[in-house]
Amino acid sequence: NAGVTQTPKFRVLKTGQSMTLLCAQDMNHEYMYWYRQDPGMGLRLIHYSVGEGTTAKGEVPDGYNVSRLKKQNFLLGLESAAPSQTSVYFCASGFRGLNEQFFGPGTRLTVL
Amino acid sequence: KNQVEQSPQSLIILEGKNCTLQCNYTVSPFSNLRWYKQDTGRGPVSLTIMTFSENTKSNGRYTATLDADTKQSSLHITASQLSDSASYICVVTLYSGAGSYQLTFGKGTKLSVIP
Repeated sequence: NAGVTQTPKFRVLKTGQSMTLLCAQDMNHEYMYWYRQDPGMGLRLIHYSVGEGTTAKGEVPDGYNVSRLKKQNFLLGLESAAPSQTSVYFCASGFRGLNEQFFGPGTRLTVL
Repeated sequence: KNQVEQSPQSLIILEGKNCTLQCNYTVSPFSNLRWYKQDTGRGPVSLTIMTFSENTKSNGRYTATLDADTKQSSLHITASQLSDSASYICVVTLYSGAGSYQLTFGKGTKLSVIP
């Protein structure tokens, strides 16, 4: 099993550009999450999904959109990137909200 | 506001020594508490998960304790190894109703183990 994988690993964008981060999991998990991690701060939840076709906002959803068209994939989109979105993005998955979350390796995004 | 505070922010210890990391939380109602290890440049990996009815849980050289009355948890690392160098993150889960859960993450303690 590959676990949770994220694509790409690194990306540099210019302000105003758009991009999509892909998260894939092969553990048949219902729940999937997108977090961002900034220096000196704890992980913050951007959006999450409790099943295929569902999405919900987390703590810091502004400037991001998500889609869960397939159970194994969770996409995070930035429509118009801003320097404030420079961060490391982590995807995670799990069977239920109370259970353990498995994290991907992260995507380091820089917006110039 | 639900908060998770970890101390110390950073810690340097000699290889082979023991250490204890602290986590205080104000999250209520509390469902479970997790400790994660995050190596530099990697995603967090779960070490332990404890419900409010558990007061200790071990995973090899890692032992987590929980005092739900004082809302404190600690992570004790025994006989530290160089590979223990990482950030350790405390995460508290609260049940927010209608089958939804909210995770509150601490900022982590950065542990450096030196030879």
